[in-house]
Amino acid sequence: NAGVTQTPKFQVLKTGQSMTLQCAQDMNHEYMSWYRQDPGMGLRLIHYSVGAGITDQGEVPNGYNVSRSTTEDFPLRLLSAAPSQTSVYFCASKGPHSTDTQYFGPGTRLTVL
Amino acid sequence: AQTVTQSQPEMSVQEAETVTLSCTYDTSESDYYLFWYKQPPSRQMILVIRQEAYKQQNATENRFSVNFQKAAKSFSLKISDSQLGDAAMYFCAYRSSYNFNKFYFGSGTKLNVKP
Repeated sequence: NAGVTQTPKFQVLKTGQSMTLQCAQDMNHEYMSWYRQDPGMGLRLIHYSVGAGITDQGEVPNGYNVSRSTTEDFPLRLLSAAPSQTSVYFCASKGPHSTDTQYFGPGTRLTVL
Repeated sequence: AQTVTQSQPEMSVQEAETVTLSCTYDTSESDYYLFWYKQPPSRQMILVIRQEAYKQQNATENRFSVNFQKAAKSFSLKISDSQLGDAAMYFCAYRSSYNFNKFYFGSGTKLNVKP
């Protein structure tokens, strides 16, 4: 049981490049989310999903796309990276019950030059 | 939208002493959950303790306990017998009972533990 895994751990992009941050969980969780963490700020919700085929926007969705074709995977796509997207990105997953714990991945540190 | 405020950017405590981290939040909902997460230098987010708003009793987990004041919208974390391994960033978080995905985090408090 690996929990929530994220790849890559570190990434450097140039402005305008695209890339996909990968997230996978092996706990059969329905709920998955993407957050970004900027210096001096807490985590902010980018997008989330309540199951395969269902996604919705969080607080800061602009510049990011997501899809959920399987229960296990929830990739985050940056179509045209900007320096303002330099951040640490966390994926999280959670079971369907209100008392279920949310588990976080180890994070991806992204730098956009 | 709900807001979570942690007014102490950084705190220090002597090993074996007790420290309290503050958190306030703003919401119009009556039912919700509050959390404290620990983030060590490894960046891993670790759940420390959780409080359901409908429960009057304060949550405790070993050396960690909370003081939940619903009317004041205050949720502080007390760490007793502080250990070197407690040094980390601590984040307070709010989650609605109506949307299990939407967590709102405070800006964090960096806790230093002095030997």
